Amino acid sequence: QVTLKESGPGILQPSQTLSLTCTFSGFSLSTYGMGVGWIRQPSGKGLEWLANIWWDDDKYYNPSLKNRLTISKDTSNNQAFLKITNVDTADTATYYCARIGYNSGPEDYFDYWGQGVMVTVSS
Amino acid sequence: NIVLTQSPATLSVTPGESVSLSCRASQSISTSIHWYQQKSNESPRLLIKYASQSISGIPSRFSGSGSGTDFTLSINRVESEDFSIYYCQQSYSSLYTFGAGTKLELK
Repeated sequence: QVTLKESGPGILQPSQTLSLTCTFSGFSLSTYGMGVGWIRQPSGKGLEWLANIWWDDDKYYNPSLKNRLTISKDTSNNQAFLKITNVDTADTATYYCARIGYNSGPEDYFDYWGQGVMVTVSS
Repeated sequence: NIVLTQSPATLSVTPGESVSLSCRASQSISTSIHWYQQKSNESPRLLIKYASQSISGIPSRFSGSGSGTDFTLSINRVESEDFSIYYCQQSYSSLYTFGAGTKLELK
């Protein structure tokens, strides 16, 4: 059974660095073809893809945020991480992590999602 | 970036009607489009992968079609539980993008 759960600081101030953790079970990020992505959603708005990390440590970032994003993983502890530097109020959103689909190899959709973690940036 | 344009933004229907939701890509993306449903205060759920491939556990009234730049999610005979927001996502580029969504609401 695949599950994912996000955790984060809840609230932080402008200019700080947001650190998010995705703890998952039911799959391993050391397995060929596996990947995890981060997606966010401001309240009442649509989904925005942020970044993906793959089993081979390949990483992809949303170009509009690339300079501020860092994605990483800890395969031993089944975790993926996302850092966003220099946050401002526009980064207030629910942040989701999701597994990238797998069928004996990578399939580029999100088949399992976490419940999301709400992050508020406020002074 | 590949831009996905979903239309209409809102679709008002009565239960039992059949509907089609559109997703148009800014360039040809073969069949690298996936559809999600998001109910209020829930995480998105995968409905259709690669334009038309079904997903285990998803009701058969949901179907997808299209290739190139024009894609359609069809719901045959909408049920009350289907009123939610639908998003398309492309994976033709390694830099994924989502459409802005179509809200299916009760008329």
